[in-house]
Amino acid sequence: DAGVTQSPTHLIKTRGQHVTLRCSPISGHKSVSWYQQVLGQGPQFIFQYYEKEERGRGNFPDRFSARQFPNYSSELNVNALLLGDSALYLCASSRPGEAFFGQGTRLTVV
Amino acid sequence: GQQVMQIPQYQHVQEGEDFTTYCNSSTTLSNIQWYKQRPGGHPVFLIQLVKSGEVKKQKRLTFQFGEAKKNSSLHITATQTTDVGTYFCAGRYGNQFYFGTGTSLTVIP
Repeated sequence: DAGVTQSPTHLIKTRGQHVTLRCSPISGHKSVSWYQQVLGQGPQFIFQYYEKEERGRGNFPDRFSARQFPNYSSELNVNALLLGDSALYLCASSRPGEAFFGQGTRLTVV
Repeated sequence: GQQVMQIPQYQHVQEGEDFTTYCNSSTTLSNIQWYKQRPGGHPVFLIQLVKSGEVKKQKRLTFQFGEAKKNSSLHITATQTTDVGTYFCAGRYGNQFYFGTGTSLTVIP
């Protein structure tokens, strides 16, 4: 049984560009959450989606957006990239009572 | 804004010693989850606590949720080198989740 898969694993972008990160949840999980983790800190909550609807949003600018597809996979989009957006972006798939993180996408903005 | 603080930030213990990390919230939580993250890895879910005063055990790990649902602790008995990593709590407020600052555990053989 496959775990949470994220793509790509690593990405280098230039300031001002946009990026799309992808996440496939564990089969049967309808909820997907996105987090940003800067080195040395805990993950920061960005979005939660459940059944294709946004259920929660963290304190991130409107440059960050996401969506969930009918198959429950999800995309995180970030526009007008800043150097400070460099981080590990984690996707978590969950069902009541437990959550599972993917390996993350390491985004470097230069 | 909402904050979830953890102490200590770092802990070095001799193998076999006990370890405890504490998590404190400024606001009552809906539930709290605990995760372990190894260097270079992703957070791995350990447990979720929901009820006031709840205590759960997993082998050498004991998790507690405070009566006011504002604090929580993770206690490891007789640490082993495999316990090395950063332990995070994550509190839920409504539909938002706030991770603590983490406690980095080093176990000296």
